[in-house]
Amino acid sequence: ETGVTQSPTHLIKTRGQQVTLRCSSQSGHNTVSWYQQALGQGPQFIFQYYREEENGRGNFPPRFSGLQFPNYSSELNVNALELDDSALYLCASSPFAGGDEQYFGPGTRLTVT
Amino acid sequence: QQQVKQSPQSLIVQKGGISIINCAYENTAFDYFPWYQQFPGKGPALLIAIRPDVSEKKEGRFTISFNKSAKQFSLHIMDSQPGDSATYFCAASMDTGRRALTFGSGTRLQVQP
Repeated sequence: ETGVTQSPTHLIKTRGQQVTLRCSSQSGHNTVSWYQQALGQGPQFIFQYYREEENGRGNFPPRFSGLQFPNYSSELNVNALELDDSALYLCASSPFAGGDEQYFGPGTRLTVT
Repeated sequence: QQQVKQSPQSLIVQKGGISIINCAYENTAFDYFPWYQQFPGKGPALLIAIRPDVSEKKEGRFTISFNKSAKQFSLHIMDSQPGDSATYFCAASMDTGRRALTFGSGTRLQVQP
């Protein structure tokens, strides 16, 4: 059974650019959630995808968007990058949308300059 | 009402000692309380979790104590080891069909040999 994987590991972008982060969920898991973890803080919920549709969103603007594919992998897209978007972006998978347990990937460290 | 408050911010414990981390919540709709362990450069790893219908749950050296009336829960690490040195996050979620985790701010634990 493979765990949650994310790519790339690190990324440096310039303010105003767009970025796409990728996540492969754990085998057998059909739900993916994305979190943003600023330095020294706890992760914050961005949104969740279930069966290729957004299934809830946290307090993040529309320039944060996502996709889920038929194989349950997912993408997080951020447009018009701001300096405050610099953070560790975490993907978590769970067996189903209401599942308690969420298993996190190693994250993508995004730096916006 | 969505906040989870965690303390202390940092903790230094001698090898073999007991580490105690506390969390408090306001929203009584929360019904699932996990603890995550995060090492530098890694994603959070699910450590142990509890539901409000029990007051204590133990897994190896890790114990969650839960006080529903006080809306508080804590993590106890018995016989703390240097390998336990990491950042610990408490979290909470409720059954809204998506189980978004609300995290505390984290406790950086250092176990001295």
